[in-house]
Amino acid sequence: EDQVTQSPEALRLQEGESSSLNCSYTVSGLRGLFWYRQDPGKGPEFLFTLYSAGEEKEKERLKATLTKKESFLHITAPKPEDSATYLCAVLGSSNTGKLIFGQGTTLQVKP
Amino acid sequence: EAQVTQNPRYLITVTGKKLTVTCSQNMNHEYMSWYRQDPGLGLRQIYYSMNVEVTDKGDVPEGYKVSRKEKRNFPLILESPSPNQTSLYFCASSLSGTEQYFGPGTRLTVT
Repeated sequence: EDQVTQSPEALRLQEGESSSLNCSYTVSGLRGLFWYRQDPGKGPEFLFTLYSAGEEKEKERLKATLTKKESFLHITAPKPEDSATYLCAVLGSSNTGKLIFGQGTTLQVKP
Repeated sequence: EAQVTQNPRYLITVTGKKLTVTCSQNMNHEYMSWYRQDPGLGLRQIYYSMNVEVTDKGDVPEGYKVSRKEKRNFPLILESPSPNQTSLYFCASSLSGTEQYFGPGTRLTVT
């Protein structure tokens, strides 16, 4: 069964304190791993797609990496506006287009 | 502006009163999907559609119906809502079922 586990559930950082969020997954035939950002009461906002192990993507202070078993979202020198819930999702080989989501990591960055 | 829109954004209703949540996208995407988000359960797929007149069940379809008569619209229908359908609902669309773009959400309360 396809499964995604994110850790930690919650993370508090001081502004400028770099850290990483983890997404561990098991899926039959990975077609893509996706990172989303979700602000309270809003829809998930697409950040990155990773397709194969070794791939990396960057956007401002965020960098996503992928191995065969997990993905990391590295946050470098975060700012308070980076506070949000970060969701990881995988798309398997089935033809349903169903994203399997993790529970998310809620990040709080204090000034 | 490329977007997915949902209406209404907030809805309070009573058990058994039929309702429809509309979803529309202006990106000419073939794939559309509905998810519900509940605390502790994350995002779960309700129904999806690969193209016009093609729909299928996701993980939690009970109590819901959908239709896809036009490419841009994918309404979610609750024929007889019950309190366990109180949730935050998201519509998503994608060109090919990979990178999915989410709407702003509809918060439904069934009393």
